[in-house]
Amino acid sequence: EPEVTQTPSHQVTQMGQEVILRCVPISNHLYFYWYRQILGQKVEFLVSFYNNEISEKSEIFDDQFSVERPDGSNFTLKIRSTKLEDSAMYFCASSAPGPNEQFFGPGTRLTVL
Amino acid sequence: RKEVEQDPGPFNVPEGATVAFNCTYSNSASQSFFWYRQDCRKEPKLLMSVYSSGNEDGRFTAQLNRASQYISLLIRDSKLSDSATYLCVVIEAGTALIFGKGTTLSVSS
Repeated sequence: EPEVTQTPSHQVTQMGQEVILRCVPISNHLYFYWYRQILGQKVEFLVSFYNNEISEKSEIFDDQFSVERPDGSNFTLKIRSTKLEDSAMYFCASSAPGPNEQFFGPGTRLTVL
Repeated sequence: RKEVEQDPGPFNVPEGATVAFNCTYSNSASQSFFWYRQDCRKEPKLLMSVYSSGNEDGRFTAQLNRASQYISLLIRDSKLSDSATYLCVVIEAGTALIFGKGTTLSVSS
């Protein structure tokens, strides 16, 4: 069964450093997403991406964040200057043909020290 | 403010029990509805989409009441493996999934 994969599974970084989280969506999917979940809290939408551009973003997704699809398979989330409050589990998801049924990767746990 | 509200539980039930979860959503224009399950420190996994006519998948039945802005999930004949957090999820418009905080189910033998 096809699945979304994410790397790394755990990333530890110092405050102010840049991090890039990577995702490989399901191969025939067209919509890609990033969500985050702070420990003990609900899952929150960050951004959706379709046809090589952002289709929707939340208020969390400020100028510190960017997304990219650098090739035909990878989808990345960059955080330019990490803050302590960026510590969370970051989930990538994908869907096709529309944005409805979204399938999640296993997540990257980001710890900012 | 976008809100999806769920009773956090926990619901503690014996194997074989029937358990029901409820969820309300604030935006009457919401378009799509889902139940996901999440195991501890794992990703949300799609359990089922929820349709206006109601739908069933094995032991799981989901209902949607648009007039009351209410979604339900019924689990029959609970198994130990059903222990998880059940997330009520809505798409209001566009692409973003809006998650509730989840209802925790613990099934014991």
